[in-house]
Amino acid sequence: GESVGLHLPTLSVQEGDNSIINCAYSNSASDYFIWYKQESGKGPQFIIDIRSNMDKRQGQRVTVLLNKTVKHLSLQIAATQPGDSAVYFCAENKAGNYGQNFVFGPGTRLSVLP
Amino acid sequence: ETGVTQSPTHLIKTRGQQVTLRCSSQSGHNTVSWYQQALGQGPQFIFQYYREEENGRGNFPPRFSGLQFPNYSSELNVNALELDDSALYLCASSFGLNTEAFFGQGTRLTVV
Repeated sequence: GESVGLHLPTLSVQEGDNSIINCAYSNSASDYFIWYKQESGKGPQFIIDIRSNMDKRQGQRVTVLLNKTVKHLSLQIAATQPGDSAVYFCAENKAGNYGQNFVFGPGTRLSVLP
Repeated sequence: ETGVTQSPTHLIKTRGQQVTLRCSSQSGHNTVSWYQQALGQGPQFIFQYYREEENGRGNFPPRFSGLQFPNYSSELNVNALELDDSALYLCASSFGLNTEAFFGQGTRLTVV
């Protein structure tokens, strides 16, 4: 079935380096995507979103890139900090403007090394 | 903090029992969605309520039901609990149907 997946289950980066977390999606009709960060014992925390009419969106230290041609989403974190250590999920909204049915991938665990 | 609050934070139930989980949405939000997150997996969509009516449902059996109240708070009810229902149950609120959704901290349900 259609689903959102992640290329790497774990990612380790040195503190201060940039991190890139990738995500593949298979539903070409999805028009809205969100990246979430989830720390242990907490609910997912909204990081940044992007709609399908955009290729790139920037936030504070984060950038999301959307490549609709290959159905690929990425999250870039600049100057990664220890507090960035968490599991990161990309989610696509399959329901479009008619509702909300976010499909999450299994997540990528980001570990920041000192 | 997102302003979305869930209660209780932890719960232990016996197989076959019924459970009710509660969610208060962020101020101004009229849409609530519920998700089930098994250990080590991403959240899975259960259903969504928009202006007190169910507006979309994932692949969950009818023993998973819900309500949304006039103040947009919501309940998730699960009947005839099974061991596999053990999970973190997350509530997310948003303003509108296809906008950013903010999650609460979740309710950890353990079925024994």
